Amino acid sequence: EDKVVQSPLSLVVHEGDTVTLNCSYEVTNFRSLLWYKQEKKAPTFLFMLTSSGIEKKSGRLSSILDKKELFSILNITATQTGDSAVYLCAVRPRMEYGNKLVFGAGTILRVKS
Amino acid sequence: DSGVTQTPKHLITATGQRVTLRCSPRSGDLSVYWYQQSLDQGLQFLIQYYNGEERAKGNILERFSAQQFPDLHSELNLSSLELGDSALYFCASSVEQAGPSYGYTFGSGTRLTVV
Repeated sequence: EDKVVQSPLSLVVHEGDTVTLNCSYEVTNFRSLLWYKQEKKAPTFLFMLTSSGIEKKSGRLSSILDKKELFSILNITATQTGDSAVYLCAVRPRMEYGNKLVFGAGTILRVKS
Repeated sequence: DSGVTQTPKHLITATGQRVTLRCSPRSGDLSVYWYQQSLDQGLQFLIQYYNGEERAKGNILERFSAQQFPDLHSELNLSSLELGDSALYFCASSVEQAGPSYGYTFGSGTRLTVV
């Protein structure tokens, strides 16, 4: 069964700190890995990763995938209170028909001012 | 506003009842996905429809069913409700059957409380 494990479960940091969120996965037939940010309601898309070793970057957020070791990390530098959210990692298996995401439980990040 | 519209936003109902959740995808999107998010299970894939046809199925209970109509909106029907069905139900949409490269777009969800 496809599985995604995120760590830590929760994290409290101060503004300006750098954080690293971890995601490890087991999937029968890997297609891609995605990161989402969930604040009050709908998850919003951050990154999609398909190739090992290629960093995706958006502002203070960056992410990288290691397909050999089956994990990804999401880095947030110079954290701000607006970064407080649940960060979800998901894998997309390659399927003959259709499309689904398998999510991890998430990492709750709280940034204190 | 993500462009994916879900109604109602909140729903409170009693055990044993039946409810219908509605989703309108973003304009131009042909695929609709349903997910359930509960405190103990996280986000779980339920089912995908593409242009009116079922495409992929997850751990959807037999008491739950869904359909996608010719105008592409979708409904998720939950029957014989139990306390454990209390959760946030998300709909998402994408253009392609197999999903776009950027990850699909979620609606704001329907919070279902079964009492």
